[in-house]
Amino acid sequence: AQTVTQSQPEMSVQEAETVTLSCTYDTSESDYYLFWYKQPPSRQMILVIRQEAYKQQNATENRFSVNFQKAAKSFSLKISDSQLGDAAMYFCAYRRAGTASKLTFGTGTRLQVTL
Amino acid sequence: EPEVTQTPSHQVTQMGQEVILRCVPISNHLYFYWYRQILGQKVEFLVSFYNNEISEKSEIFDDQFSVERPDGSNFTLKIRSTKLEDSAMYFCAHRSQGDEQYFGPGTRLTVT
Repeated sequence: AQTVTQSQPEMSVQEAETVTLSCTYDTSESDYYLFWYKQPPSRQMILVIRQEAYKQQNATENRFSVNFQKAAKSFSLKISDSQLGDAAMYFCAYRRAGTASKLTFGTGTRLQVTL
Repeated sequence: EPEVTQTPSHQVTQMGQEVILRCVPISNHLYFYWYRQILGQKVEFLVSFYNNEISEKSEIFDDQFSVERPDGSNFTLKIRSTKLEDSAMYFCAHRSQGDEQYFGPGTRLTVT
């Protein structure tokens, strides 16, 4: 079974600084997708960024980028120029390739952004 | 981001009662999912639904749970006899042919 591990329950970053959230996963599949979701206090799940396992290039979405290390099964999220609105829970998620396959989530990292 | 709606936003029910949670996904999306999140915990998969039948279900999704898409648009999750431990946020998600799953705003279920 696939597992996703987020070893940082809480992180803090100052506004305008950069922070990296860690995620590791375990799978025997070769084709899969990885995601980061943001959950603000409203508890809405918002997709931040995704990465296809077959792509070597790291995904980037504006201030958000990932460091995908397939051999190490590591998928970290870097937030640059942090803003107060980035404060939220961040969940790493895995999905194997396939039609209706489910998302498997990590336990989340709570990010605080301070002035 | 495609919008999914869920109703109600908050449901309070007594233990042993039946509840139906509703989701209105984007009409041309093919894959539908229910997840739940107990307060302070991670999001857990319940069931996936494709072509009007269940594709996969987790061990949480026991005989007390059922899903259907009765009118081709609404996607419902029914809990037949609620328990205290069913209290959670329930998220509907959907996917088209792409890779991303988009989540609805969730229904907060409180069982007393």
